[in-house]
Amino acid sequence: EAGVVQSPRYKIIEKKQPVAFWCNPISGHNTLYWYLQNLGQGPELLIRYENEEAVDDSQLPKDRFSAERLKGVDSTLKIQPAELGDSAVYLCASSLEGAGGGRDEQFFGPGTRLTVL
Amino acid sequence: KDQVFQPSTVASSEGAVVEIFCNHSVSNAYNFFWYLHFPGCAPRLLVKGSKPSQQGRYNMTYERFSSSLLILQVREADAAVYYCACPLYNFNKFYFGSGTKLNVKP
Repeated sequence: EAGVVQSPRYKIIEKKQPVAFWCNPISGHNTLYWYLQNLGQGPELLIRYENEEAVDDSQLPKDRFSAERLKGVDSTLKIQPAELGDSAVYLCASSLEGAGGGRDEQFFGPGTRLTVL
Repeated sequence: KDQVFQPSTVASSEGAVVEIFCNHSVSNAYNFFWYLHFPGCAPRLLVKGSKPSQQGRYNMTYERFSSSLLILQVREADAAVYYCACPLYNFNKFYFGSGTKLNVKP
């Protein structure tokens, strides 16, 4: 079975340019997460979806970041315009259930490494 | 502020048992998840739970606000970053530590 797929794996852009990341979760997984991981830090949640509904986007900088999960499957995370400080790894993860009592395993993708010049 | 704490680095020798400690200040979290991460690859779950548990060479101790990951018979290939994560009870919101880099000496 395929794991969580993310693309692109690497992206280099100049500041003020837009960028988009794509995630395909494991088939049948209702919950999808986007995380930001800065160098030397752990993943920090940006947004969590249960099916197509964004149930937690409190940490998403909404002035420049947006996300969507059409049809409750694939998801896209966009940054417009990108800033130097956005250089990081963007991880996508999915889990089987919704409100699973904090016991559901998250399966991660390999991430997209963004470099903003 | 809800946080998860773990050491930035731990060193071990091959064949030894290494312990990576984690504690948290998340009031409504009762489980620990331990992930293995090789840079550039997807983080992988090693062991999880709200009680001591074992998965192969990986043991997890459990206290209400702390846990240790014990790796038995450490190998050079175990050199990676290990993350401790704590989910909020009844919510799929996880707080991650900053990761512990394991260095293994031959």
